[in-house]
Amino acid sequence: GAVVSQHPSWVICKSGTSVKIECRSLDFQATTMFWYRQFPKQSLMLMATSNEGSKATYEQGVEKDKFLINHASLTLSTLTVTSAHPEDSSFYICSAMGLTGEQYFGPGTRLTVT
Amino acid sequence: DAKTTQPPSMDCAEGRAANLPCNHSTISGNEYVYWYRQIHSQGPQYIIHGLKNNETNEMASLIITEDRKSSTLILPHATLRDTAVYYCIVRVGLSNSGYALNFGKGTSLLVTP
Repeated sequence: GAVVSQHPSWVICKSGTSVKIECRSLDFQATTMFWYRQFPKQSLMLMATSNEGSKATYEQGVEKDKFLINHASLTLSTLTVTSAHPEDSSFYICSAMGLTGEQYFGPGTRLTVT
Repeated sequence: DAKTTQPPSMDCAEGRAANLPCNHSTISGNEYVYWYRQIHSQGPQYIIHGLKNNETNEMASLIITEDRKSSTLILPHATLRDTAVYYCIVRVGLSNSGYALNFGKGTSLLVTP
């Protein structure tokens, strides 16, 4: 149980285009999901906290108009990287919080912007 | 959340026990010690957590000192698939479950044949 999926697992896009990444909790409902970003050889950095039915809370330095987060249901949160640039190339990871407070992580999405 | 300190890297021979230390000298009474690991290019995986008693599950054992200022994660029989970055995270417990996890730099464990 407690499986979190992400789609796509990897994506290559051209600079200036937008990319949507989906995060799904497959066998449990998650009122809270988190989005992290990880650059090569660095640790995970929290980008935003997503609560179902409300606006996401962004960490300092993360542009909310660039990284659009939607958490429309208890099993799905999406992250859209708008007008992507090469510096947005990174490993994006989501986690979903279960009823007992544990966090379950998705497998990550590798974004490459050319 | 309290800050943690871990060695940047460790080696362990396959089949031997891997003991990964973590210092958290500023831990508060209501903060738990969590361990996650991240295999290359994958999402983090939960291993174990504890408050003050030692804990054991099918993956590992967690030994917390009596003063709770440090802890050790023990992988009893390391395999090559245990090669990963291990993160020790201190955070408030499940009653404040809206908090994200604050990942430090972790320990890169290399299990060798």
